[in-house]
Amino acid sequence: GAVVSQHPSWVICKSGTSVKIECRSLDFQATTMFWYRQFPKQSLMLMATSNEGSKATYEQGVEKDKFLINHASLTLSTLTVTSAHPEDSSFYICSAPRVAGGLGNEQFFGPGTRLTVL
Amino acid sequence: AQTVTQSQPEMSVQEAETVTLSCTYDTSESDYYLFWYKQPPSRQMILVIRQEAYKQQNATENRFSVNFQKAAKSFSLKISDSQLGDAAMYFCAYEVQGAQKLVFGQGTRLTINP
Repeated sequence: GAVVSQHPSWVICKSGTSVKIECRSLDFQATTMFWYRQFPKQSLMLMATSNEGSKATYEQGVEKDKFLINHASLTLSTLTVTSAHPEDSSFYICSAPRVAGGLGNEQFFGPGTRLTVL
Repeated sequence: AQTVTQSQPEMSVQEAETVTLSCTYDTSESDYYLFWYKQPPSRQMILVIRQEAYKQQNATENRFSVNFQKAAKSFSLKISDSQLGDAAMYFCAYEVQGAQKLVFGQGTRLTINP
């Protein structure tokens, strides 16, 4: 199967600082990537769709100025949590379909990034 | 908007036995895909099985099979001959047509008793 990596796997930061999380497709090109947030023992909540070469599409209720997404290349999407606060502490997961568009294509998920804001 | 509901927060089964995880969903679309994903303690999401709504035949993948009831909007996962490695969170997911994004259910934590 395809491989999606995330970096860092774990980050601790002070309140008020910004944190960047990278999501890379290692063996395929991903014109579309998705960012999810998962609270402990809860489900994955879609935050936004990252589109290569264009602006991200955010889900309702997600602050786009808070969670900046940049899809600079066909293999890299970044999520920057700006002015992080303790309530932003969570597990962030990215995913990408190997085939863009269409129906029923398998999504490949990154291993996730645990963010802790002190 | 589409919704996915998993009403069983936790399930347990004896090793080698069979267990069924429930999932219901709500949509007004006629063609769509449903998925079951597994999230083990490593938290790496892994595709277990997928089902296209237009196909009447239930999907199977080795020990994993689904019971897809389109009219009832039900999509349950059956795991046969349960193994210790099957212990994980299982998420039912609906693919939003045209967007490829997934709507997940709340998840079911499956424990395998040796």
